[in-house]
Amino acid sequence: GENVEQHPSTLSVQEGDSAVIKCTYSDSASNYFPWYKQELGKRPQLIIDIRSNVGEKKDQRIAVTLNKTAKHFSLHITETQPEDSAVYFCAAGYGQNFVFGPGTRLSVLP
Amino acid sequence: NAGVTQTPKFQVLKTGQSMTLQCAQDMNHEYMSWYRQDPGMGLRLIHYSVGAGITDQGEVPNGYNVSRSTTEDFPLRLLSAAPSQTSVYFCASSDRAGGPAETQYFGPGTRLLVL
Repeated sequence: GENVEQHPSTLSVQEGDSAVIKCTYSDSASNYFPWYKQELGKRPQLIIDIRSNVGEKKDQRIAVTLNKTAKHFSLHITETQPEDSAVYFCAAGYGQNFVFGPGTRLSVLP
Repeated sequence: NAGVTQTPKFQVLKTGQSMTLQCAQDMNHEYMSWYRQDPGMGLRLIHYSVGAGITDQGEVPNGYNVSRSTTEDFPLRLLSAAPSQTSVYFCASSDRAGGPAETQYFGPGTRLLVL
């Protein structure tokens, strides 16, 4: 089955700097790669996703890149703000074979 | 639309007790799932359903049962609670019968403590 690794486990950045979180996956059949943000005590919420026929996708300050050959994808947050502080989860899979990474705790320091 | 709702929000059980975690969605989604979230381990799939009357096991199904008698409801049953089942449980739904390869919408979670 699919196995998803995520790095780093914790990340601290200064407000205004960029943050990058990387994930690798094992199953070459995976074709859907979402990113979820989870604030403390809240539910995970989708912030961006990418499918295997696209290499990059942007939504304002957030972007995701996908390298299917290397089986990795990354989340990029530019101009970070204190409200970006949260745990971020990547996931990978296809159909019902869908696995989450262990999460990255991002802290944006004012 | 209420989206995905879960009850209760918090529950304390004694070892060996049974209980049902409720999950409902009003988006007419075919796919529903249950995850547990433990520190440092992300979200792990317990059971899922691709439609009424159809359920299947995920990564960590032992100790849990599910049923899907309607499109809207997907309860999770703990048969005999154990301390290892202390966790936060999330229900999720997706508008794709083949699996969650579309946006998954999560419920608010149920925090379970087993003593």
